[in-house]
Amino acid sequence: EIVLTQSPGTLSLSPGERATLSCRASQSVSSNYLAWYQQKPGQAPRLLIYGASSRATGIPDRFSGSGSGTDFTLTISRLEPEDFALYYCQQYGSSPRTFGGGTKVEIK
Amino acid sequence: EVQLVQSGAEVKKPGESLKISCKGSGYSFPSYWIAWVRQMPGKGLEWMGIIYPGDSDTKYSPSFQGQVTISADKSISTAYLQWSSLKASDTAMYYCVRLSYSGYFDYWGQGTLVTVSS
Repeated sequence: EIVLTQSPGTLSLSPGERATLSCRASQSVSSNYLAWYQQKPGQAPRLLIYGASSRATGIPDRFSGSGSGTDFTLTISRLEPEDFALYYCQQYGSSPRTFGGGTKVEIK
Repeated sequence: EVQLVQSGAEVKKPGESLKISCKGSGYSFPSYWIAWVRQMPGKGLEWMGIIYPGDSDTKYSPSFQGQVTISADKSISTAYLQWSSLKASDTAMYYCVRLSYSGYFDYWGQGTLVTVSS
């Protein structure tokens, strides 16, 4: 089983700032099958990024994903008020399809 | 429009059985894998297992094998998650999710809250 470790656990930033979230895998993620999801309180998660760097339909271009192998990054270029939320990475290249523990982006 | 609509919240006692549902619409239900994901209160996401409604091929996470049963009825575009004997530790929000052809989770249901308490 691939273990995904997200850091930091909490990121305290102000609107307009840049957010950099990390996701590290215990072994190489097959075909860079790494996705990022956003979850707001009381809501289901929604897909942001798949294939490590492809934005899902309707996702603003301030969200970008990068990385390969075992190290992946989600970057939010300029935080909007609606971006303060929980973010999870997930690998879907091997079974079981594991999630990271999450990073909370909170308002400073 | 792709939609996954889940059954409503449940309150059960330990030892009771339960089956929750997830109805898909707006796409060819038999042709896409459906996953179930658990989120315990205040915790992260856990992948429980997946089913291919076209032939009911099912795969479970080792953590959930033997603890739950995943099934589907393609004739009514519905997937199910069931327990034969609930425990307090099954208290959680459960999401059904459609898998894209590549395997990422592209559409999520609204979630079903299951509360198990004596």
